[in-house]
Amino acid sequence: EVHLVESGGGLVQPGGSLRVSCAASGFTFGSYWMNWVRQAPGKGLEWVANIKHDGNEKYYADSVKGRFTISRDNAKNSLYLDMSSLRAEDTAVYYCARYSFSWSFFDSWGQGALVTVSA
Amino acid sequence: QTVVTQEPTLSVSPGGAVTLTCALTSGSVSTTNYPSWYQQTPGQAPRSLIYRTSSRSSGVPDRFSGSILGNKAALTITGAQAEDESDYYCLLFVGSGVWVFGGGTKLTVL
Repeated sequence: EVHLVESGGGLVQPGGSLRVSCAASGFTFGSYWMNWVRQAPGKGLEWVANIKHDGNEKYYADSVKGRFTISRDNAKNSLYLDMSSLRAEDTAVYYCARYSFSWSFFDSWGQGALVTVSA
Repeated sequence: QTVVTQEPTLSVSPGGAVTLTCALTSGSVSTTNYPSWYQQTPGQAPRSLIYRTSSRSSGVPDRFSGSILGNKAALTITGAQAEDESDYYCLLFVGSGVWVFGGGTKLTVL
């Protein structure tokens, strides 16, 4: 069974940095593109970034480009999102989601990690 | 950046049918946008319903169907049930590795 578990959320001050992680199990992690999706309190889903299975391609939403970095460690079955220059509007639950390349959709999701940016 | 629009709210009677749509402000939605649909209840992670326009994810009841209607992607629920009351999001591939979610539709069954 596919399992995605996010961690590393918490409270951070505006302008600060934070890393959220996603531990994957139940599938061959190194064979899949992975994504980060966020959801601000009471708001809709927002795609944040994705990374190719080998880490050689990465794409970002304009809202986070230059501030967030997606990465992965296939040996550790882990996905990361390094966030810097954080703003209040980055406050959200951050979900990792597996991408099915064969069928072009996000087929498995974690339960999310809450990041709160506040003084 | 590209904006994807959905009806903010819709309602349907139990047993009735409703269609949710997903539009691109910059043009028509096609199969090459790989439309997919997700259902989310409060406090839960999203769950996939439909992928590649019209294919149902594993375990999804056949009262859910997807299509392209005119220049939009569409999710139709036929024979709505109380448990279908949720938020629904479409997701589109807009090129250059970038995906965009619609703003979501809050569906009420009453």
